[in-house]
Amino acid sequence: EAQVTQNPRYLITVTGKKLTVTCSQNMNHEYMSWYRQDPGLGLRQIYYSMNVEVTDKGDVPEGYKVSRKEKRNFPLILESPSPNQTSLYFCASSLSSGTLYGYTFGSGTRLTVV
Amino acid sequence: GIQVEQSPPDLILQEGANSTLRCNFSDSVNNLQWFHQNPWGQLINLFYIPSGTKQNGRLSATTVATERYSLLYISSSQTTDSGVYFCAVEPADSGYALNFGKGTSLLVTP
Repeated sequence: EAQVTQNPRYLITVTGKKLTVTCSQNMNHEYMSWYRQDPGLGLRQIYYSMNVEVTDKGDVPEGYKVSRKEKRNFPLILESPSPNQTSLYFCASSLSSGTLYGYTFGSGTRLTVV
Repeated sequence: GIQVEQSPPDLILQEGANSTLRCNFSDSVNNLQWFHQNPWGQLINLFYIPSGTKQNGRLSATTVATERYSLLYISSSQTTDSGVYFCAVEPADSGYALNFGKGTSLLVTP
């Protein structure tokens, strides 16, 4: 089944403890991105990647890192999480960007930083 | 940046009723998608519809790109249709991010 898989689905952590949220897609998509969803602010893009080893900042990149060493994987890294990074996170992928292709979203990761 | 406005913000329906959700956007787009966010938070892709009309079971969508709006029709609504419906667009001049509307929160009662 074609899908975007995020892990974990739920995570509670403490301030300052490094964590990684994994994202993997099995559709050979070139384009992957991360969003966060917050009440009143909607969904905002954190980072995106147009292909292996090509990443760029979205609207809210501060406090996050990403890497794209393989086409299928696009992990989101929080080096030193803070409570304002408590949010619902989504990974998305598309065959390409901006050229007539739709995006597939993962099931989301609900992160709480205490 | 591009503005995406959805209406109505909230909607309560009785099971079996029909509804129309609207999405207006302020600039040309390469991509328009409708999503359903279920009570568990998952974003389900309903339609990829930058223009034209599509149907999938009880749901259908129409986008009139020249007039910059899209409509999502839900017929014979069921309680499982409850959740938030988002319209998201990818601007034609900066195709690297989906811009989401604030959503329509739908509650279908038995």
